[in-house]
Amino acid sequence: SQQGEEDPQALSIQEGENATMNCSYKTSINNLQWYRQNSGRGLVHLILIRSNEREKHSGRLRVTLDTSKKSSSLLITASRAADTASYFCATALYGNNRLAFGKGNQVVVIP
Amino acid sequence: NAGVTQTPKFQVLKTGQSMTLQCAQDMNHEYMSWYRQDPGMGLRLIHYSVGAGITDQGEVPNGYNVSRSTTEDFPLRLLSAAPSQTSVYFCASSFGQGARTYEQYFGPGTRLTVT
Repeated sequence: SQQGEEDPQALSIQEGENATMNCSYKTSINNLQWYRQNSGRGLVHLILIRSNEREKHSGRLRVTLDTSKKSSSLLITASRAADTASYFCATALYGNNRLAFGKGNQVVVIP
Repeated sequence: NAGVTQTPKFQVLKTGQSMTLQCAQDMNHEYMSWYRQDPGMGLRLIHYSVGAGITDQGEVPNGYNVSRSTTEDFPLRLLSAAPSQTSVYFCASSFGQGARTYEQYFGPGTRLTVT
C-alpha cells in the first residue's frame, strides 16, 4: 500500500518563488526521504531525514518532519526553471530497506 | 562509476512473450530493488534483494521473477507478458546494513509496452 501521500499534487510557480510540498504517512517510520524525477528520467535522491530529526537543510532545500502528525514538508527556496520536476516522498520502516513511495508532486517553475 | 544501469531502454512485447530486464550496479551495494511506475500511481515495489542469493516479494510481485546470483546484477523476468504490465520499470540499489535504511540510487528506467 502507498505509505506517502503528497499534497498538493501539482504546483505552478514563478521563478524565484518558494515551493512547498507536504507528505503524510500512516505508520511509524525509520526515516523519510525525498526524491526528484525529471521528465523521462530516473529518480534522484534529495534528502533523508531520520525519525529523531525535526528539520534538515541541503542547499536550497529544507525538509521538516513531524512524527506526531505523521507528516513532512519539502521547501524549495528561490526556485529555478531547472527545479521543474516531480517530487516524491518515500518512507522507510524499521528493520528493512524497503521504501514506500507517494504518488508525487509535479512542480512547474515558470521562467 | 557507472552507477545503476538498465537495459533495454525501450521494449515492445506481444502478450504471452517473456523477457528479462537487466539491472547492474557497480557500487557494491547489498540492497537492490525493482519498481514499476504507472501514471498517477507513484512507484510500486515489485521484488527486492538484501544480498546475493536472497530475494523477497514487494507490493506487486505477480507475473515477475527475480534472482540474485551476484552482488552486481539483479535481473527481472516477465514470465508471460500481459498488457497490464505496460509500465516504466526502475531498478534501484542502496547500501544496506542491518536495520538502517539509506538513500537509493536509481537506474534510468526501461519503458515496456505490451500489446
